[in-house]
Amino acid sequence: KNEVEQSPQNLTAQEGEFITINCSYSVGISALHWLQQHPGGGIVSLFMLSSGKKKHGRLIATINIQEKHSSLHITASHPRDSAVYICAVLRLSGSRLTFGEGTQLTVNP
Amino acid sequence: DGGITQSPKYLFRKEGQNVTLSCEQNLNHDAMYWYRQDPGQGLRLIYYSQIVNDFQKGDIAEGYSVSREKKESFPLTVTSAQKNPTAFYLCASRGQGDTGELFFGEGSRLTVL
Repeated sequence: KNEVEQSPQNLTAQEGEFITINCSYSVGISALHWLQQHPGGGIVSLFMLSSGKKKHGRLIATINIQEKHSSLHITASHPRDSAVYICAVLRLSGSRLTFGEGTQLTVNP
Repeated sequence: DGGITQSPKYLFRKEGQNVTLSCEQNLNHDAMYWYRQDPGQGLRLIYYSQIVNDFQKGDIAEGYSVSREKKESFPLTVTSAQKNPTAFYLCASRGQGDTGELFFGEGSRLTVL
């Protein structure tokens, strides 16, 4: 079983819909990252969370440390949000950074 | 501007040859990482380094080697022992402390002919 599990693997939505991507992990962590990967392969960091909730524009990320679960929400989705969204966790001890498999999001106009 | 530079972006090699991928950062980050990504799959950890002159194996280190002689540089060598080296390779660095932000290079696409 992977240390980091994401769901769903693939998600198709209509423009304007509210999107939720989930991430569950099985190890103790000091931080969790949400990342976005574009078709060309480049990856950008969206959020870094160690507790609570963060918001940036139409993106919201939450984390529940006790339940070992995080969610990424996109409000009023747009075709330009189409990308792979990846969850990554930083283990409590050391610098090991482990990634989930990613969620392919497609937003249709 | 600070960031991570990977080179080359595309690389072709013949079977049996070693090849070295470069990763340089000017962000003053201690932690650096190398990942491999195969089509339709997630990133898998090859090696990581927390500090100069120290590095640890990740989940798929066999057939790869690294060095960390300088804080700014973390090159990855794909050796001839790596049975299936054709892949997309990504280098990353992380800011100070547990809450440091992640930065990624643009990636290097290696094809073995």
